[in-house]
This record gives sequence, structure tokens and C-alpha cells, in this order.
Amino acid sequence: IAGITQAPTSQILAAGRRMTLRCTQDMRHNAMYWYRQDLGLGLRLIHYSNTAGTTGKGEVPDGYSVSRANTDDFPLTLASAVPSQTSVYFCASSGLAGGPDTQYFGPGTRLTVL
Amino acid sequence: GQNIDQPTEMTATEGAIVQINCTYQTSGFNGLFWYQQHAGEAPTFLSYNVLDGLEEKGRFSSFLSRSKGYSYLLLKELQMKDSASYLCAVRDSNYQLIWGAGTKLIIKP
Repeated sequence: IAGITQAPTSQILAAGRRMTLRCTQDMRHNAMYWYRQDLGLGLRLIHYSNTAGTTGKGEVPDGYSVSRANTDDFPLTLASAVPSQTSVYFCASSGLAGGPDTQYFGPGTRLTVL
Repeated sequence: GQNIDQPTEMTATEGAIVQINCTYQTSGFNGLFWYQQHAGEAPTFLSYNVLDGLEEKGRFSSFLSRSKGYSYLLLKELQMKDSASYLCAVRDSNYQLIWGAGTKLIIKP
């Protein structure tokens, strides 16, 4: 593994189904983030984690949950998917929650909810 | 509310220079980032400004004026591979990134 990986690459999901998007980083970064990107809108933060064992809500957290059991993994769960959750989801990480550290992004998961 | 404004789309010619502007209104300021995003790919980091002035990095430069809530990204000697979206993001008082919708740059030969 080099950097950040996400799985699956893409997924078509029936409304009402539960889905977990996986994110793993091998850079030993403390902070991790989940964003969604929709056409015509900027990246919007769903949830974040400043360090293992802690999580926080971003701008659009409703319908999503996260956990951070260890430094490397930060899964995002949709408990009961709805069509408005159709989007491209990016996981990102940074060395520090603040400071000049940049965020590095995974390749994204394209999710379609029908 | 918090707001980041960038032009939706710009067109430029290969070999030329283009300036992409970004204006922001955020609750606090802890740095401004520019990212490049090719279609279907993840954003990648280009530059970071926290103090006023110009930061130069090869063909790319980024400028910041905190008093005006303004930044620009300057791309010189444009190449076809520079065709991409350019995202402006500001780190607010909570150290969260607020993102603009991005500027799609089209390079013509």
C-alpha cells in the first residue's frame, strides 16, 4: 500500500441498503476525513477524525457514520442509503489536524443509489 | 456563512499564461490551499499560502491578500496536461477546509 486506498472503486446500491466505504492509509497520518463531491459544488466534509479514537461531524453528516479504531483505517457507513447520497466520496488524510500539513486524497468511490 | 468564489470555467491557449481568481469569506483564516483535479481523479496539492504575497513553484505561482480575502493561482507556459479543475480551499478557525466549487480550465492548442 502506498498512500491512501479506497474500496470499492464504484458501487451501485439499492435504496435502503447498508453500505460501508473503506479507507486505509499507510502514512501514519493522525487526521483523516471523508468528503463528498457533487457536480457544481465544492467538496463537502462529512466526518473527520483528528486522531485514532476520536471523530467529529462535518458540514453534511446526516445519514453517515464513521469509526476510527486505529490510525490506518477510517470506514464510512451509510446505514440506509437514499438516492441523494449518490456522489463521489473521497477519503483524505493529513499529518496534523492544523498547521501547514496538506490533505492527501484517496482515489475516490463513485456511489450510485437507485 | 462561509463562502469561496471561483469562476466556473476558463479557456486558455497552450503556451500562454492564465490567472485563476479565488475570493473568500470565512470564519477565521488559517491558510489557503490550491489543488488540481483531473477529470475522474482525486485532488492533488499544488500550493499553500498563509502570509500575504506570492509563492512560486515552477510554472505555478499562488498569491494571497488576507485583507482583501483574495487569492489567485497563476499558471505559466500552459501545457495540454494542465487541463483540469483547480480547487481553492480555505482553512477556517476550526482548522477545517472550506472548498470552492472549482474552476474548470480548458487548454486549446
